[in-house]
Amino acid sequence: QVQLVQSGSELGKPGASVKISCKASGYTFIDYSITWVRQAPGQGLEWMGRINTNTGTPTYARDFAGHFVFSLDTSVSTAYLQINSLKTDDTAVYYCARAPEDYWGQGTLVTVSS
Amino acid sequence: DIQMTQSPSSLSASVGDRVTITCRASQGISNDLAWFQQKPGKAPKSLIHAASSLQSGVPSNFAGRGSGTHFTLTISNLQPEDFATYYCQQYHSYPITFGQGTRLEIK
Repeated sequence: QVQLVQSGSELGKPGASVKISCKASGYTFIDYSITWVRQAPGQGLEWMGRINTNTGTPTYARDFAGHFVFSLDTSVSTAYLQINSLKTDDTAVYYCARAPEDYWGQGTLVTVSS
Repeated sequence: DIQMTQSPSSLSASVGDRVTITCRASQGISNDLAWFQQKPGKAPKSLIHAASSLQSGVPSNFAGRGSGTHFTLTISNLQPEDFATYYCQQYHSYPITFGQGTRLEIK
Protein backbone atom coordinates (compact mmCIF):
# COMPACT_ATOMS: atom_id res chain seq x y z
CA GLN A 1 0.00 0.00 0.00
CA VAL A 2 1.07 3.56 -0.66
CA GLN A 3 2.68 5.18 2.37
CA LEU A 4 4.46 8.44 3.00
CA VAL A 5 6.31 8.54 6.31
CA GLN A 6 7.72 11.81 7.52
CA SER A 7 10.47 12.49 10.01
CA GLY A 8 9.72 13.58 13.55
CA SER A 9 9.10 16.97 15.12
CA GLU A 10 11.79 19.60 14.93
CA LEU A 11 12.65 22.45 17.25
CA GLY A 12 14.81 25.15 15.70
CA LYS A 13 16.14 28.52 16.71
CA PRO A 14 15.54 31.64 14.64
CA GLY A 15 18.14 31.87 11.88
CA ALA A 16 18.91 28.16 11.91
CA SER A 17 17.89 25.53 9.35
CA VAL A 18 15.90 22.31 9.56
CA LYS A 19 15.46 19.50 7.06
CA ILE A 20 12.37 17.28 7.01
CA SER A 21 12.21 13.96 5.20
CA CYS A 22 9.33 12.16 3.50
CA LYS A 23 9.95 8.51 2.64
CA ALA A 24 7.63 6.95 0.09
CA SER A 25 6.80 3.29 -0.33
CA GLY A 26 4.26 1.12 -2.11
CA TYR A 27 4.65 2.68 -5.54
CA THR A 28 7.31 3.71 -8.04
CA PHE A 29 8.71 6.91 -6.54
CA ILE A 30 9.66 8.62 -9.78
CA ASP A 31 6.19 8.19 -11.30
CA TYR A 32 4.60 10.86 -9.09
CA SER A 33 5.72 14.30 -8.00
CA ILE A 34 5.82 15.18 -4.31
CA THR A 35 3.88 18.17 -3.00
CA TRP A 36 4.59 20.08 0.21
CA VAL A 37 1.81 21.76 2.19
CA ARG A 38 2.06 23.99 5.25
CA GLN A 39 -0.49 24.38 8.01
CA ALA A 40 0.18 27.04 10.62
CA PRO A 41 -1.41 26.54 14.05
CA GLY A 42 -5.18 26.82 13.79
CA GLN A 43 -4.99 27.82 10.14
CA GLY A 44 -5.82 26.31 6.76
CA LEU A 45 -3.73 24.51 4.18
CA GLU A 46 -1.14 26.35 2.08
CA TRP A 47 0.28 24.74 -1.05
CA MET A 48 4.03 25.36 -0.92
CA GLY A 49 5.02 23.72 -4.16
CA ARG A 50 5.95 20.49 -5.79
CA ILE A 51 9.06 18.63 -6.94
CA ASN A 52 9.12 16.46 -10.02
CA THR A 53 10.65 13.22 -8.80
CA ASN A 54 11.65 12.20 -12.32
CA THR A 55 13.59 15.34 -13.23
CA GLY A 56 14.24 16.85 -9.81
CA THR A 57 12.69 20.14 -10.96
CA PRO A 58 10.98 22.06 -8.16
CA THR A 59 8.09 24.48 -8.51
CA TYR A 60 7.57 26.88 -5.62
CA ALA A 61 4.53 28.94 -4.76
CA ARG A 62 5.46 32.61 -4.66
CA ASP A 63 5.39 32.91 -0.88
CA PHE A 64 7.73 29.96 -0.47
CA ALA A 65 10.46 30.69 -2.99
CA GLY A 66 13.96 31.27 -1.64
CA HIS A 67 13.33 30.39 1.99
CA PHE A 68 12.35 26.76 1.39
CA VAL A 69 14.22 24.15 -0.63
CA PHE A 70 12.84 20.90 -2.03
CA SER A 71 15.21 18.05 -2.80
CA LEU A 72 15.24 14.33 -3.45
CA ASP A 73 17.19 11.15 -2.94
CA THR A 74 15.57 8.81 -5.43
CA SER A 75 17.84 5.94 -4.35
CA VAL A 76 15.87 5.76 -1.11
CA SER A 77 12.53 7.11 -2.43
CA THR A 78 12.75 10.12 -0.16
CA ALA A 79 11.87 13.77 -0.60
CA TYR A 80 13.20 16.53 1.61
CA LEU A 81 12.07 19.97 2.66
CA GLN A 82 14.75 22.27 4.02
CA ILE A 83 13.75 25.49 5.74
CA ASN A 84 16.55 28.03 5.91
CA SER A 85 16.90 31.14 8.10
CA LEU A 86 14.07 30.00 10.35
CA LYS A 87 11.57 32.60 11.50
CA THR A 88 8.93 32.26 14.20
CA ASP A 89 6.32 32.47 11.39
CA ASP A 90 7.64 29.14 10.11
CA THR A 91 6.14 27.34 13.11
CA ALA A 92 3.68 24.95 11.49
CA VAL A 93 2.93 21.38 10.53
CA TYR A 94 4.46 20.51 7.18
CA TYR A 95 2.92 17.75 5.09
CA CYS A 96 4.23 15.93 2.07
CA ALA A 97 1.78 14.35 -0.33
CA ARG A 98 1.98 12.30 -3.48
CA ALA A 99 0.76 14.50 -6.30
CA PRO A 100 -2.09 15.00 -7.00
CA GLU A 101 -2.32 14.95 -3.21
CA ASP A 102 -4.04 11.56 -3.15
CA TYR A 103 -1.83 10.19 -0.37
CA TRP A 104 -0.38 12.23 2.48
CA GLY A 105 2.34 11.89 5.06
CA GLN A 106 1.43 12.18 8.71
CA GLY A 107 2.89 15.66 9.02
CA THR A 108 5.95 17.08 10.75
CA LEU A 109 5.65 19.81 13.37
CA VAL A 110 8.35 22.44 13.14
CA THR A 111 8.56 24.80 16.08
CA VAL A 112 10.76 27.87 15.87
CA SER A 113 11.67 29.35 19.20
CA SER A 114 14.68 30.89 20.86
CA ASP B 1 -3.32 33.41 -8.54
CA ILE B 2 -6.72 31.74 -8.50
CA GLN B 3 -8.60 32.49 -5.29
CA MET B 4 -10.85 29.78 -3.86
CA THR B 5 -13.65 30.93 -1.56
CA GLN B 6 -15.61 28.45 0.51
CA SER B 7 -18.92 29.03 2.21
CA PRO B 8 -19.94 28.77 4.88
CA SER B 9 -16.80 28.97 7.02
CA SER B 10 -18.52 26.78 9.58
CA LEU B 11 -21.80 25.01 10.04
CA SER B 12 -23.54 22.86 12.59
CA ALA B 13 -25.57 19.81 11.72
CA SER B 14 -26.94 16.65 13.26
CA VAL B 15 -26.28 13.00 12.51
CA GLY B 16 -28.48 12.02 9.60
CA ASP B 17 -28.65 15.52 8.11
CA ARG B 18 -27.63 16.54 4.61
CA VAL B 19 -25.25 19.46 4.19
CA THR B 20 -23.76 21.30 1.22
CA ILE B 21 -20.50 23.25 1.13
CA THR B 22 -19.85 25.67 -1.71
CA CYS B 23 -16.52 26.53 -3.29
CA ARG B 24 -16.12 29.34 -5.80
CA ALA B 25 -13.09 30.01 -7.97
CA SER B 26 -12.05 33.52 -8.95
CA GLN B 27 -11.75 32.36 -12.57
CA GLY B 28 -12.80 29.33 -14.54
CA ILE B 29 -11.00 26.12 -13.63
CA SER B 30 -12.98 23.61 -15.73
CA ASN B 31 -13.41 20.62 -13.40
CA ASP B 32 -9.89 20.77 -11.94
CA LEU B 33 -11.12 20.71 -8.37
CA ALA B 34 -10.49 18.41 -5.42
CA TRP B 35 -12.04 18.10 -1.97
CA PHE B 36 -10.23 17.08 1.19
CA GLN B 37 -11.35 16.14 4.69
CA GLN B 38 -9.22 16.90 7.72
CA LYS B 39 -9.82 15.80 11.29
CA PRO B 40 -8.06 17.45 14.25
CA GLY B 41 -4.43 16.43 14.54
CA LYS B 42 -4.56 14.37 11.35
CA ALA B 43 -3.36 14.76 7.79
CA PRO B 44 -5.90 15.74 5.16
CA LYS B 45 -7.60 12.93 3.31
CA SER B 46 -8.45 13.11 -0.38
CA LEU B 47 -12.18 12.67 -1.01
CA ILE B 48 -12.92 13.81 -4.54
CA HIS B 49 -10.97 14.77 -7.64
CA ALA B 50 -12.06 16.14 -11.00
CA ALA B 51 -14.92 17.86 -9.17
CA SER B 52 -17.10 14.77 -8.89
CA SER B 53 -14.98 11.59 -8.89
CA LEU B 54 -14.83 9.86 -5.54
CA GLN B 55 -11.47 8.52 -4.44
CA SER B 56 -11.36 4.79 -3.83
CA GLY B 57 -12.87 3.89 -0.48
CA VAL B 58 -14.78 7.14 0.04
CA PRO B 59 -18.37 6.46 1.08
CA SER B 60 -21.12 7.16 -1.43
CA ASN B 61 -22.81 9.69 0.86
CA PHE B 62 -20.21 12.19 -0.40
CA ALA B 63 -20.97 13.85 -3.73
CA GLY B 64 -19.17 16.61 -5.62
CA ARG B 65 -20.59 18.72 -8.43
CA GLY B 66 -19.78 21.72 -10.52
CA SER B 67 -17.52 23.09 -13.18
CA GLY B 68 -16.12 26.44 -14.18
CA THR B 69 -16.27 28.62 -11.09
CA HIS B 70 -18.96 27.07 -8.89
CA PHE B 71 -18.61 23.78 -7.04
CA THR B 72 -20.39 21.97 -4.24
CA LEU B 73 -19.67 19.15 -1.85
CA THR B 74 -22.78 17.49 -0.48
CA ILE B 75 -22.69 15.05 2.39
CA SER B 76 -25.89 13.08 2.87
CA ASN B 77 -26.96 11.13 5.93
CA LEU B 78 -24.19 12.63 8.09
CA GLN B 79 -22.33 10.13 10.20
CA PRO B 80 -20.37 10.92 13.38
CA GLU B 81 -17.09 10.37 11.54
CA ASP B 82 -18.01 13.02 8.93
CA PHE B 83 -17.62 15.91 11.36
CA ALA B 84 -14.38 17.51 10.28
CA THR B 85 -12.98 20.42 8.29
CA TYR B 86 -13.33 20.33 4.52
CA TYR B 87 -11.12 22.07 1.97
CA CYS B 88 -11.49 22.57 -1.75
CA GLN B 89 -8.42 22.86 -3.97
CA GLN B 90 -7.97 23.99 -7.55
CA TYR B 91 -5.24 22.39 -9.60
CA HIS B 92 -6.08 24.08 -12.89
CA SER B 93 -3.02 26.30 -12.76
CA TYR B 94 0.00 27.04 -10.62
CA PRO B 95 0.12 28.02 -7.90
CA ILE B 96 -2.34 25.39 -6.74
CA THR B 97 -4.59 26.97 -4.13
CA PHE B 98 -6.88 25.80 -1.35
CA GLY B 99 -10.06 27.29 -0.03
CA GLN B 100 -9.96 28.55 3.54
CA GLY B 101 -11.84 25.54 4.87
CA THR B 102 -15.32 24.76 6.20
CA ARG B 103 -15.63 23.40 9.70
CA LEU B 104 -18.53 20.98 10.10
CA GLU B 105 -19.57 20.59 13.72
CA ILE B 106 -22.10 18.46 15.51
CA LYS B 107 -25.20 20.38 16.58
